[in-house]
Parts: sequence; C-alpha cells; structure tokens
Amino acid sequence: QKEVEQNSGPLSVPEGAIASLNCTYSDRVSQSFFWYRQYSGKSPELIMSIYSNGDKEDGRFTAQLNKASQYVSLLIRDSQPSDSATYLCAVNEEASYDKVIFGPGTSLSVIP
Amino acid sequence: DADVTQTPRNRITKTGKRIMLECSQTKGHDRMYWYRQDPGLGLRLIYYSFDVKDINKGEISDGYSVSRQAQAKFSLSLESAIPNQTALYFCATSDLKSGVQETQYFGPGTRLLVL
Repeated sequence: QKEVEQNSGPLSVPEGAIASLNCTYSDRVSQSFFWYRQYSGKSPELIMSIYSNGDKEDGRFTAQLNKASQYVSLLIRDSQPSDSATYLCAVNEEASYDKVIFGPGTSLSVIP
Repeated sequence: DADVTQTPRNRITKTGKRIMLECSQTKGHDRMYWYRQDPGLGLRLIYYSFDVKDINKGEISDGYSVSRQAQAKFSLSLESAIPNQTALYFCATSDLKSGVQETQYFGPGTRLLVL
C-alpha cells in the first residue's frame, strides 16, 4: 500500500511568518504532486500542483519537490489568519494515472 | 452554479437502511471518484470510474456500491448502513492530459450519520 505522510500538527505560526508544511511519499515513481487546502467543514481546493524537481512559486505559495528524497513541501510566505486550514498533500499512484493518495493533512493555525 | 454538486448535503439514517448519495458534474470530465473523510485519516478512496463503462474499487470499497449512470452522474450506495460508515463523503472529478493526472475538483460533501 503506497503511503503519503504528513505531520498532523497543529502547526502554529504568527501572522506574517513563513509556514512550512512537509510531506513524504513512498511510491518512488510518482509523477504528480498536489497541495490542497481544506477549511473546516468544506471541500478541499487545489493550492499548487508540481510535476518536476525544484521550486514552483505562485504568489505567496511555493511548492518544492525532491524526488530523490521523496518529499514535497509547501511554503506559505507572509502567513495570514485566512491561511488557517488543513493542508492535504496528494501524490498520484504511478501504477494508475487516475488515482491519487492523500496524506492525513496538517492543520495550520496563523495567530494574529 | 457549482461544477460538482452532491445531494443530499446532510443525511441521518438508521443501521441497516439502504441509502444513496448522488453526484453530478458539469466539468465534462470522464474521471469521477468517491472518497470518505474521517478525522485524522485524510481522504480515502471508495470507488472511482474512468467512464460510464469502467468502475474500479478503491481502498475501502466493502459495504459500498456505485453506479455511473452517465458521464456527468456517479452515485454511491450504502447497501446496509452501519455506524462506522458515519463520515463526510466527497465526490470529485478530474481530467487526464498527456498522461498526467490533473487536479481533482471536489463537491461540497455529504455529511452522513448512521445511528
């Protein structure tokens, strides 16, 4: 069974700080990596997708992928209270391009 | 209008009852999924479908069945509900472009309570 692991948190950061969320995965040949944000009681929504090693930036968000070490991270710069949510890491299962495996999520709290 | 809709949004039922959760999408995607979410366990895949003629079991399909009535509709049934099926259920759709898994789009969820 392929696995995706995340620290459950809660991770607390002060407003304006950088929040760093980490994810490791077990399937060495995974090719697609996603970060979803989920507010309490709501559905997940995509924050970032990344497919190649290195960094990908989108506004205050940066996704980092290291396939050799099998980890993907999400950095949130200038954290805002509205960033308080659970962040889900998802990785495609290479055996099936149509499935992804979700991690348990990391709860982030941004303190004003 | 939302691209992915689920009905009902909330449901309370009793042990042993059969219930159906419905999902509709207007995104034109072929791929549809049913997940359940429990606290601390993330999203777990129940069933997924590539198209109307293709249905596949996920990691936790026991006690569930599905029907893909059309490209836009994917229903999940609990044949005989039990209390440990109490959870938040999400439907999702996705596309596959150039062999690469694209993002999944989620419905608003159905909160199910089995007494």
